[in-house]
Amino acid sequence: DAGVIQSPRHEVTEMGQEVTLRCKPISGHDYLFWYRQTMMRGLELLIYFNNNVPIDDSGMPEDRFSAKMPNASFSTLKIQPSEPRDSAVYFCASSPRPHIGNYGYTFGSGTRLTVV
Amino acid sequence: LAKTTQPISMDSYEGQEVNITCSHNNIATNDYITWYQQFPSQGPRFIIQGYKTKVTNEVASLFIPADRKSSTLSLPRVSLSDTAVYYCLVVQQGFQKLVFGTGTRLLVSP
Repeated sequence: DAGVIQSPRHEVTEMGQEVTLRCKPISGHDYLFWYRQTMMRGLELLIYFNNNVPIDDSGMPEDRFSAKMPNASFSTLKIQPSEPRDSAVYFCASSPRPHIGNYGYTFGSGTRLTVV
Repeated sequence: LAKTTQPISMDSYEGQEVNITCSHNNIATNDYITWYQQFPSQGPRFIIQGYKTKVTNEVASLFIPADRKSSTLSLPRVSLSDTAVYYCLVVQQGFQKLVFGTGTRLLVSP
């Protein structure tokens, strides 16, 4: 299994531009999570999906952020328009079930976003 | 969700045993204790999870006293490659959200 695949690995964009981050979860995993990590705020949960349906988006910072999961094998996180304070590493994670028993979530390698 | 408190950083040397303690005074009956490890430029990786007493796997051991208000992650004979941030989380049974704290930055030196 290739694990959770995120693209791109690095993204540099100018303020005001639209940015789209992509994630392919592990096949068969029903849960998908988007996290953001910065030095100041650490790891923050932005939104998560169950069976392609958004369950909790209370961590999405503002309306400029949106996430979709059109099918079980693909999700996007979009920022429009982007701002310098959005610079962070964005992680996608997936799991076949809620966090129970001796099993954890599998995280991707992240997308490092820099907005200049 | 129960709040967790763990040391900000720890230093060790290769070959030593490292114990990282996490306190979670408000842990509930249905909560599990979970630890993740994060290397630089990578996403967090699940290490171990337990409910009470002791759990051991190929990576670490987790010790949980009877009152469950704290837990200790034990890494036997650390190597340089164990340098990472270690997160202690309290996870409600069947709950989906993982809330990460600041973690413990472990530095292993030669």
